[in-house]
Amino acid sequence: AQSVTQLDSQVPVFEEAPVELRCNYSSSVSVYLFWYVQYPNQGLQLLLKYLSGSTLVESINGFEAEFNKSQTSFHLRKPSVHISDTAEYFCAVSEPGGSYIPTFGRGTSLIVHP
Amino acid sequence: GAGVSQTPSNKVTEKGKYVELRCDPISGHTALYWYRQSLGQGPEFLIYFQGTGAADDSGLPNDRFFAVRPEGSVSTLKIQRTERGDSAVYLCASSSRGGNEQFFGPGTRLTVL
Repeated sequence: AQSVTQLDSQVPVFEEAPVELRCNYSSSVSVYLFWYVQYPNQGLQLLLKYLSGSTLVESINGFEAEFNKSQTSFHLRKPSVHISDTAEYFCAVSEPGGSYIPTFGRGTSLIVHP
Repeated sequence: GAGVSQTPSNKVTEKGKYVELRCDPISGHTALYWYRQSLGQGPEFLIYFQGTGAADDSGLPNDRFFAVRPEGSVSTLKIQRTERGDSAVYLCASSSRGGNEQFFGPGTRLTVL
């Protein structure tokens, strides 16, 4: 069985500050890892994913996440946040092959203040 | 192209009533997933279709919940004898065959009074 832990339910930051949203997972097999973002009143959108290869993955809007197998983590980072980054962020894990049904964490609310 | 759509966007019903929630996946996507998202929680898997058949329904909480996808495209999630605890946002997602990325709809917010 797989599980995801997002320790921080809310992360308030000021605009242009760096941010890290933490995600730890547990799984008995190799994993695929995802970060989804949910803007207010919108559906979930895939932000970035790790399938294999380079452990550092990046999104088009400046976020990055690093797969750390030894620490079973996939923390999300951005060096300088914008007001528009205010949203709910969900970390998810799935097993390669088959149905790709992900298990989601409970989410972290990123609140960017001016 | 059009994304995943879900109707209605909001549904208010009374305890004990029957409801149907509809999902239109992205055209050509063979896989379809239903999730339930309660307040303050991440999406929780309910059921997965590959084509017309339910490949995995292990997430359905009880036999009041049922879903169909008769032609391998549109899917309907059906909830009988609704209870207040069924109140949540019901999310639908689709993906291409063998695809590892799911595309989500905006959800249906169900409120059971």
